Amino acid sequence: DAGVIQSPRHEVTEMGQEVTLRCKPISGHNSLFWYRQTMMRGLELLIYFNNNVPIDDSGMPEDRFSAKMPNASFSTLKIQPSEPRDSAVYFCASSFTSGRAYVDTQYFGPGTRLTVL
Amino acid sequence: TQLLEQSPQFLSIQEGENLTVYCNSSSVFSSLQWYRQEPGEGPVLLVTVVTGGEVKKLKRLTFQFGDARKDSSLHITAAQPGDTGLYLCAGVRGGGADGLTFGKGTHLIIQP
Repeated sequence: DAGVIQSPRHEVTEMGQEVTLRCKPISGHNSLFWYRQTMMRGLELLIYFNNNVPIDDSGMPEDRFSAKMPNASFSTLKIQPSEPRDSAVYFCASSFTSGRAYVDTQYFGPGTRLTVL
Repeated sequence: TQLLEQSPQFLSIQEGENLTVYCNSSSVFSSLQWYRQEPGEGPVLLVTVVTGGEVKKLKRLTFQFGDARKDSSLHITAAQPGDTGLYLCAGVRGGGADGLTFGKGTHLIIQP
């Protein structure tokens, strides 16, 4: 079975450019999460969706970041304009929320390594 | 503010030794998870602990959730080179589909 798919795996861009990261969750999952990982701050939750609706975006650093989930099988994280401090590995994760489990299992994609020069 | 503090940050030991890594917080979590991450990959869930005082075993790995549900530990017996990786603890404050709060992790290297 395919896991969470992220693209691109690596992105190098120059400061000021727009960057779009893509995620395809596991089929049948109804929750999707975007995380960012750096050495300094570790793994941080940026935003998460349930049934394609954004539930909590309090982790989004600033207005330069935006995320969408137009349907159950696709999500994007956009940075415009990008800055060097945005350099990090961005992970997408998905889970199936039944409402009965105490906590759901999140399945992570392989990540997108973003470098902003 | 880092809600979950993990220690040690880095640990390098010889194959066959035992080790314990810790995850501490001043906040109460409804449950806590441990993940292992290898270079170039996303974290993979090892275990979820829910009840204060709970102990779970996964082969040579033993996980414990503190009585007050604020801290946890991971003990590895007879470590092997295949145990090398980044071990992350993650707290869940709500339930269900809530996002996770991660510690910065413990980088573990097991030398043959």
